[in-house]
Amino acid sequence: QSVLTQPPSASGTPGQRVTISCSGSNSNIGSSAVNWYQQVPGTAPKLLIHANDQRPSGVPDRFSGSKSGTSASLAISGLQSEDEADYFCAAWDGSLSGLVFGGGTKLTVL
Amino acid sequence: EVQLVESGGGLVQPGGSLRLSCAASGFTFRSRWMHWVRQAPGKGLVWVSRISSDGGTTNYADSVKGRFTISRDNAKNTLFLQMNSLRAEDTAVYYCVQWELGWGQGTLVTVSS
Repeated sequence: QSVLTQPPSASGTPGQRVTISCSGSNSNIGSSAVNWYQQVPGTAPKLLIHANDQRPSGVPDRFSGSKSGTSASLAISGLQSEDEADYFCAAWDGSLSGLVFGGGTKLTVL
Repeated sequence: EVQLVESGGGLVQPGGSLRLSCAASGFTFRSRWMHWVRQAPGKGLVWVSRISSDGGTTNYADSVKGRFTISRDNAKNTLFLQMNSLRAEDTAVYYCVQWELGWGQGTLVTVSS
Protein backbone atom coordinates (compact mmCIF):
# COMPACT_ATOMS: atom_id res chain seq x y z
CA GLN A 1 0.00 0.00 0.00
CA SER A 2 1.47 3.30 -1.12
CA VAL A 3 1.96 6.26 1.22
CA LEU A 4 0.64 8.69 -1.39
CA THR A 5 -2.82 7.97 -2.78
CA GLN A 6 -3.64 8.19 -6.48
CA PRO A 7 -6.64 6.93 -8.44
CA PRO A 8 -5.66 3.66 -10.17
CA SER A 9 -6.97 4.80 -13.53
CA ALA A 10 -8.02 7.82 -15.56
CA SER A 11 -9.14 8.29 -19.12
CA GLY A 12 -10.00 10.89 -21.69
CA THR A 13 -10.46 11.46 -25.38
CA PRO A 14 -7.96 13.27 -27.61
CA GLY A 15 -8.00 17.00 -26.97
CA GLN A 16 -9.60 16.71 -23.54
CA ARG A 17 -8.15 17.88 -20.23
CA VAL A 18 -7.47 15.25 -17.58
CA THR A 19 -6.48 15.75 -13.96
CA ILE A 20 -4.76 13.19 -11.73
CA SER A 21 -4.78 13.68 -7.97
CA CYS A 22 -2.23 12.72 -5.34
CA SER A 23 -3.15 12.79 -1.67
CA GLY A 24 -0.69 12.65 1.21
CA SER A 25 -0.17 14.03 4.69
CA ASN A 26 1.59 16.78 6.60
CA SER A 27 4.78 14.74 6.77
CA ASN A 28 5.16 14.48 3.00
CA ILE A 29 3.16 16.65 0.57
CA GLY A 30 2.28 19.07 3.32
CA SER A 31 5.91 19.87 4.00
CA SER A 32 7.91 19.09 0.86
CA ALA A 33 7.85 19.50 -2.89
CA VAL A 34 6.05 17.08 -5.17
CA ASN A 35 7.40 15.55 -8.36
CA TRP A 36 5.40 13.89 -11.10
CA TYR A 37 6.67 11.16 -13.41
CA GLN A 38 5.44 9.54 -16.59
CA GLN A 39 6.28 5.89 -17.16
CA VAL A 40 5.59 3.97 -20.32
CA PRO A 41 5.58 0.24 -19.41
CA GLY A 42 9.01 -1.30 -19.81
CA THR A 43 10.83 2.02 -19.67
CA ALA A 44 12.26 4.27 -16.94
CA PRO A 45 10.16 6.99 -15.33
CA LYS A 46 10.48 10.39 -16.98
CA LEU A 47 10.41 13.55 -14.86
CA LEU A 48 7.39 15.64 -15.88
CA ILE A 49 7.01 18.12 -13.05
CA HIS A 50 9.38 18.96 -10.19
CA ALA A 51 8.98 21.24 -7.19
CA ASN A 52 5.18 21.09 -7.47
CA ASP A 53 4.76 23.06 -10.67
CA GLN A 54 8.08 23.35 -12.54
CA ARG A 55 8.44 21.78 -15.98
CA PRO A 56 11.89 20.56 -16.99
CA SER A 57 13.04 21.70 -20.39
CA GLY A 58 11.55 19.55 -23.13
CA VAL A 59 8.31 18.79 -21.31
CA PRO A 60 5.35 20.24 -23.24
CA ASP A 61 3.38 23.00 -21.54
CA ARG A 62 0.31 20.77 -21.84
CA PHE A 63 1.52 19.27 -18.56
CA SER A 64 1.08 21.31 -15.40
CA GLY A 65 1.28 20.65 -11.68
CA SER A 66 -0.16 22.23 -8.58
CA LYS A 67 -0.18 21.66 -4.83
CA SER A 68 -2.50 22.72 -2.05
CA GLY A 69 -2.04 21.60 1.53
CA THR A 70 -1.55 17.85 1.59
CA SER A 71 -2.69 17.22 -1.98
CA ALA A 72 -1.21 17.71 -5.42
CA SER A 73 -2.53 17.45 -8.94
CA LEU A 74 -1.21 16.84 -12.42
CA ALA A 75 -3.20 18.28 -15.31
CA ILE A 76 -2.79 17.24 -18.92
CA SER A 77 -4.52 19.42 -21.46
CA GLY A 78 -4.96 18.74 -25.17
CA LEU A 79 -4.71 15.00 -24.50
CA GLN A 80 -2.77 13.04 -27.12
CA SER A 81 -2.52 9.32 -27.79
CA GLU A 82 1.16 9.34 -26.81
CA ASP A 83 0.16 10.49 -23.31
CA GLU A 84 -1.11 6.98 -22.60
CA ALA A 85 1.16 5.84 -19.76
CA ASP A 86 1.39 5.41 -16.00
CA TYR A 87 1.77 8.56 -13.89
CA PHE A 88 3.34 8.65 -10.42
CA CYS A 89 3.62 11.36 -7.79
CA ALA A 90 6.45 11.47 -5.25
CA ALA A 91 7.57 13.53 -2.26
CA TRP A 92 10.04 13.39 0.60
CA ASP A 93 8.52 12.16 3.86
CA GLY A 94 10.12 13.69 6.93
CA SER A 95 8.64 11.16 9.33
CA LEU A 96 9.79 8.15 7.33
CA SER A 97 13.05 9.87 6.25
CA GLY A 98 12.58 8.61 2.72
CA LEU A 99 11.00 9.30 -0.64
CA VAL A 100 7.41 8.12 -0.90
CA PHE A 101 5.49 7.42 -4.07
CA GLY A 102 1.91 7.15 -5.19
CA GLY A 103 0.70 3.81 -6.49
CA GLY A 104 0.43 5.18 -10.00
CA THR A 105 -2.45 6.16 -12.28
CA LYS A 106 -2.87 4.40 -15.59
CA LEU A 107 -4.03 6.94 -18.17
CA THR A 108 -5.96 5.62 -21.13
CA VAL A 109 -6.60 7.78 -24.18
CA LEU A 110 -9.88 6.57 -25.63
CA GLU B 1 22.02 16.60 -21.34
CA VAL B 2 21.65 14.79 -18.02
CA GLN B 3 22.60 11.13 -18.24
CA LEU B 4 22.48 8.48 -15.54
CA VAL B 5 23.65 5.03 -16.63
CA GLU B 6 23.32 2.10 -14.23
CA SER B 7 25.25 -1.14 -14.45
CA GLY B 8 26.06 -4.17 -12.33
CA GLY B 9 22.71 -5.93 -12.20
CA GLY B 10 22.26 -9.62 -12.84
CA LEU B 11 21.22 -12.97 -11.42
CA VAL B 12 22.43 -13.77 -7.91
CA GLN B 13 21.57 -16.50 -5.42
CA PRO B 14 19.84 -15.71 -2.14
CA GLY B 15 22.42 -14.57 0.39
CA GLY B 16 24.71 -13.30 -2.33
CA SER B 17 26.04 -9.83 -3.10
CA LEU B 18 26.03 -7.36 -5.97
CA ARG B 19 27.44 -3.90 -6.48
CA LEU B 20 25.51 -1.50 -8.66
CA SER B 21 27.10 1.53 -10.28
CA CYS B 22 25.62 4.66 -11.80
CA ALA B 23 27.71 6.85 -14.08
CA ALA B 24 26.49 10.44 -14.11
CA SER B 25 27.10 13.16 -16.67
CA GLY B 26 25.60 16.41 -17.89
CA PHE B 27 25.39 18.05 -14.48
CA THR B 28 27.60 18.89 -11.49
CA PHE B 29 27.44 15.50 -9.80
CA ARG B 30 29.41 16.55 -6.71
CA SER B 31 26.76 19.18 -5.88
CA ARG B 32 23.73 16.91 -5.90
CA TRP B 33 22.14 14.46 -3.53
CA MET B 34 21.47 11.10 -5.19
CA HIS B 35 18.98 8.29 -4.63
CA TRP B 36 18.39 4.65 -5.50
CA VAL B 37 14.79 3.61 -6.19
CA ARG B 38 13.61 0.14 -7.14
CA GLN B 39 10.61 -1.36 -8.88
CA ALA B 40 9.70 -5.02 -8.56
CA PRO B 41 8.14 -6.62 -11.66
CA GLY B 42 4.63 -5.26 -12.14
CA LYS B 43 4.81 -3.25 -8.94
CA GLY B 44 5.17 0.38 -7.91
CA LEU B 45 8.22 2.48 -7.14
CA VAL B 46 9.98 2.04 -3.80
CA TRP B 47 12.72 4.29 -2.45
CA VAL B 48 15.85 2.43 -1.31
CA SER B 49 18.48 4.92 -0.21
CA ARG B 50 19.92 8.40 -0.58
CA ILE B 51 23.30 10.06 -0.12
CA SER B 52 24.28 13.69 0.36
CA SER B 53 26.41 15.55 -2.16
CA ASP B 54 29.59 15.03 -0.14
CA GLY B 55 28.74 11.49 0.89
CA GLY B 56 28.60 12.40 4.56
CA THR B 57 24.89 11.69 5.07
CA THR B 58 23.09 8.51 4.06
CA ASN B 59 19.56 7.21 4.64
CA TYR B 60 18.02 3.80 3.99
CA ALA B 61 14.61 2.22 3.76
CA ASP B 62 13.97 -0.12 6.68
CA SER B 63 13.76 -3.07 4.29
CA VAL B 64 17.43 -2.73 3.28
CA LYS B 65 19.01 -1.18 6.37
CA GLY B 66 22.07 -3.14 7.48
CA ARG B 67 22.29 -5.00 4.15
CA PHE B 68 22.76 -2.26 1.55
CA THR B 69 25.35 0.53 1.50
CA ILE B 70 25.18 3.59 -0.69
CA SER B 71 28.36 5.48 -1.59
CA ARG B 72 29.77 7.80 -4.22
CA ASP B 73 32.99 8.81 -5.91
CA ASN B 74 32.69 12.47 -6.83
CA ALA B 75 36.01 12.42 -8.66
CA LYS B 76 34.58 9.80 -11.03
CA ASN B 77 30.98 11.06 -11.07
CA THR B 78 29.77 7.66 -9.97
CA LEU B 79 27.17 6.45 -7.49
CA PHE B 80 27.24 2.96 -5.98
CA LEU B 81 24.93 0.58 -4.17
CA GLN B 82 26.55 -2.37 -2.42
CA MET B 83 23.91 -5.01 -1.82
CA ASN B 84 24.64 -7.88 0.58
CA SER B 85 22.56 -10.72 2.00
CA LEU B 86 20.22 -10.48 -0.96
CA ARG B 87 16.73 -11.92 -0.71
CA ALA B 88 14.14 -12.94 -3.29
CA GLU B 89 12.13 -9.84 -2.41
CA ASP B 90 15.04 -7.65 -3.51
CA THR B 91 14.35 -8.69 -7.10
CA ALA B 92 13.62 -5.47 -9.00
CA VAL B 93 14.82 -2.94 -11.50
CA TYR B 94 17.09 -0.52 -9.63
CA TYR B 95 17.12 3.09 -10.75
CA CYS B 96 19.68 5.77 -10.04
CA VAL B 97 17.79 9.03 -9.41
CA GLN B 98 18.62 12.70 -9.11
CA TRP B 99 15.48 14.21 -7.62
CA GLU B 100 15.43 17.46 -9.62
CA LEU B 101 16.97 16.20 -12.85
CA GLY B 102 15.89 12.66 -13.73
CA TRP B 103 16.36 8.91 -13.68
CA GLY B 104 18.63 6.35 -15.25
CA GLN B 105 17.32 3.54 -17.43
CA GLY B 106 17.60 1.02 -14.61
CA THR B 107 19.42 -2.26 -14.06
CA LEU B 108 17.65 -5.53 -13.28
CA VAL B 109 18.59 -7.49 -10.18
CA THR B 110 17.20 -11.00 -9.92
CA VAL B 111 17.66 -12.96 -6.70
CA SER B 112 16.89 -16.60 -7.27
CA SER B 113 18.37 -20.05 -6.79
